[in-house]
Amino acid sequence: GENVEQHPSTLSVQEGDSAVIKCTYSDSASNYFPWYKQELGKGPQLIIDIRSNVGEKKDQRIAVTLNKTAKHFSLHITETQPEDSAVYFCAASIESTYKYIFGTGTRLKVLA
Amino acid sequence: DTGVSQDPRHKITKRGQNVTFRCDPISEHNRLYWYRQTLGQGPEFLTYFQNEAQLEKSRLLSDRFSAERPKGSFSTLEIQRTEQGDSAMYLCASSPTGDRFKGYTFGSGTRLTVV
Repeated sequence: GENVEQHPSTLSVQEGDSAVIKCTYSDSASNYFPWYKQELGKGPQLIIDIRSNVGEKKDQRIAVTLNKTAKHFSLHITETQPEDSAVYFCAASIESTYKYIFGTGTRLKVLA
Repeated sequence: DTGVSQDPRHKITKRGQNVTFRCDPISEHNRLYWYRQTLGQGPEFLTYFQNEAQLEKSRLLSDRFSAERPKGSFSTLEIQRTEQGDSAMYLCASSPTGDRFKGYTFGSGTRLTVV
């Protein structure tokens, strides 16, 4: 079955710097890759997603890149702000199944 | 629409007791999912429904767990004879299907503590 590895487990950056979180997946059939942000005491919130027919997607300060050959995808946050501090999860899915396999999460701290 | 609602937010129970959680999905979403999240881990799939039909159950869902979605609206997750290992956050999510699928919307979860 699918396995998703996520690195790093914790990441501290200065406000205004960029943050990059990386994930690898094992099942080449996976074709949908969402990223979720989870704040303390709340459920995960979808922030961006990418399908396997594109290599990059951008939404304001957030971008995701996908390398299907290497089976890895990354989340890039530019111009980080304190409110970006949270736990971020990547996930992989075969979209027709609607079932996600999540990574273990990255705790991002943006230092003011 | 107010999003996905879960009740209760927190539940403390003694080992051996039964507990039931409720999830109200976004009204136009026909898919509903249950995930479990332990401390420091990502959510793990438990089960999902399309309308009222339960289509898949994870092997994580032992015989002590049962989920229902009567009439394809709200869902309940019941854990019988709770064990300390059941302590976790139970997350519910919903989504449309097909061309309208744009990822899950999660609720805020029910945090279960078994003492």
